[in-house]
Amino acid sequence: KQEVTQIPAALSVPEGENLVLNCSFTDSAIYNLQWFRQDPGKGLTSLLLIQSSQREQTSGRLNASLDKSSGRSTLYIAASQPGDSATYLCAVSSGSARQLTFGSGTQLTVLP
Amino acid sequence: GAGVSQSPSNKVTEKGKDVELRCDPISGHTALYWYRQSLGQGLEFLIYFQGNSAPDKSGLPSDRFSAERTGGSVSTLTIQRTQQEDSAVYLCASSKAISGNTIYFGEGSWLTVV
Repeated sequence: KQEVTQIPAALSVPEGENLVLNCSFTDSAIYNLQWFRQDPGKGLTSLLLIQSSQREQTSGRLNASLDKSSGRSTLYIAASQPGDSATYLCAVSSGSARQLTFGSGTQLTVLP
Repeated sequence: GAGVSQSPSNKVTEKGKDVELRCDPISGHTALYWYRQSLGQGLEFLIYFQGNSAPDKSGLPSDRFSAERTGGSVSTLTIQRTQQEDSAVYLCASSKAISGNTIYFGEGSWLTVV
């Protein structure tokens, strides 16, 4: 059974700092890995999708890496802003149903 | 529509009643998923539909839960004889294919069973 772990559970940083969120998964036989953002009371917004054959993806100030063999991914956020405050979720697509298995998220607070 | 649409956005129901939650996926998306997010817990896969294939129901927690997808588009998640532990946010998502494409989520239906 696929399990996804995210560290840290919560993170508070001053505005302008660069930061890294970590995600690990137990079964390396994945189809892809996706990072999402969830604001309080809202649904999930997809940030980056990395296919199993890729090593990283970039979008603006966000960069996600994938090391499938070691079962790890990182989300790098450059020059953080208060508007980046949210819960960040990592999810991997695996198994016969190819459903997403989610981590429990990292709650990020960027202080002005 | 521009995104995945879910209704109702909020539902309060009495224990024992049946509820129906609706999802309207992004036009052209063949894959549709239902997930559940309970307070203090992560997202839990419930069911997915791909085109006209038989749905994968492996995540449904009990036989009180069922879902259908009519015409390859709109989906309805039905919970019969609701229990308090069914209280959660039910999220629907869609994508162009079952893998390899970005999955887009709706805002969710917040269900409270009293």
